[in-house]
Amino acid sequence: GENVEQHPSTLSVQEGDSAVIKCTYSDSASNYFPWYKQELGKGPQLIIDIRSNVGEKKDQRIAVTLNKTAKHFSLHITETQPEDSAVYFCAARKGFQKLVFGTGTRLLVSP
Amino acid sequence: GAVVSQHPSWVICKSGTSVKIECRSLDFQATTMFWYRQFPKQSLMLMATSNEGSKATYEQGVEKDKFLINHASLTLSTLTVTSAHPEDSSFYICSASRTSGGTTDTQYFGPGTRLTVL
Repeated sequence: GENVEQHPSTLSVQEGDSAVIKCTYSDSASNYFPWYKQELGKGPQLIIDIRSNVGEKKDQRIAVTLNKTAKHFSLHITETQPEDSAVYFCAARKGFQKLVFGTGTRLLVSP
Repeated sequence: GAVVSQHPSWVICKSGTSVKIECRSLDFQATTMFWYRQFPKQSLMLMATSNEGSKATYEQGVEKDKFLINHASLTLSTLTVTSAHPEDSSFYICSASRTSGGTTDTQYFGPGTRLTVL
């Protein structure tokens, strides 16, 4: 089955810096890759997703890139703000199958 | 994005009692709902997947007689933890999605329910 690895497990940046979180997946047939942000005590919130027919997607300060050949995708956050501090999860899915989540990255943005 | 609600947001119960958690999709019809369990500082663990009007599909290792799931309508799913014990204490999160045009839509998550069993 699908396996998703996520790095780093923790990431500390200064406000205004960029943050990059990387995930790799094992099943080349996976075709949907969402990213979720989870704040303490809350449920995950979808922040951006990408499908396998595109290589990059942007939404204001957030972007996701997908390299199907290497089977990895990354989340890029520019101009980080303290409110970006949270745990970020990547996930991969093939067709109608279940989402497989990464282990999460704890992002801390210091003022 | 779509809104998914959960009730209650937290519950404390005595060992041996049953607890029901509701999950509602507020502004869309959810053909599929998912129930997850999350331990502190860990990722989400899928417990079961349910489609409206049919029996839930449980993940390996999840006791279906202990975690009863009902998906009676396109906007409501319930998870009942029967005969709860302290080891069932956890953060339970539901998720909802719709399937149309041959693809599965985005999964939207509820805010979670913190269960503490004394």
